Amino acid sequence: DQQVKQNSPSLSVQEGRISILNCDYTNSMFDYFLWYKKYPAEGPTFLISISSIKDKNEDGRFTVFLNKSAKHLSLHIVPSQPGDSAVYFCAASADSGGSNYKLTFGKGTLLTVNP
Amino acid sequence: DADVTQTPRNRITKTGKRIMLECSQTKGHDRMYWYRQDPGLGLRLIYYSFDVKDINKGEISDGYSVSRQAQAKFSLSLESAIPNQTALYFCATSDHPGTGTLLSTDTQYFGPGTRLTVL
Repeated sequence: DQQVKQNSPSLSVQEGRISILNCDYTNSMFDYFLWYKKYPAEGPTFLISISSIKDKNEDGRFTVFLNKSAKHLSLHIVPSQPGDSAVYFCAASADSGGSNYKLTFGKGTLLTVNP
Repeated sequence: DADVTQTPRNRITKTGKRIMLECSQTKGHDRMYWYRQDPGLGLRLIYYSFDVKDINKGEISDGYSVSRQAQAKFSLSLESAIPNQTALYFCATSDHPGTGTLLSTDTQYFGPGTRLTVL
């Protein structure tokens, strides 16, 4: 049972345009969500996160939106740059008495930004 | 210098061999994790540790064991490697969330990965 789903294995956008990566989850106990970016031959790097008490978090070109009723979050990258080309993983965790230790990851979306 | 390092970065071995993957961190974090990544499957948790000598199984611990020798070190062992353990292995760390802190302390930081091939 896949609790975090990234239904688009890949996405291709033009440089300067908006990239929108989507993520759906099924576990209503998830209360913290993260996006990681992964380049080939490197480990995932933390990009941005959002708590369930918010519906939007912004950091420079990156914005994450959370729609709890739809159990959906999205990552917007504006403007997209060729250096953003990478695999993006959505992850979620559930409060376990204050010990949010386990991240559940989606399968990832490969973003390609074309010059 | 990288905060989370893994050795070796690449390893090819044969079925039945014992393999150890090492992870070290300089972030001063209490919590450490081992994941594996397979094509099309994302990252799956193998084992995690909240402190020295604390060991917990993740979702796919069968065939693996771990050792937390010190706060900064967390090693993963394959006692008898098999071909379906061929994968990318990542170590990660996170800080211990303090009382009343926001969830941001749960962010995990990953090492560069070890590519393991079992023939």
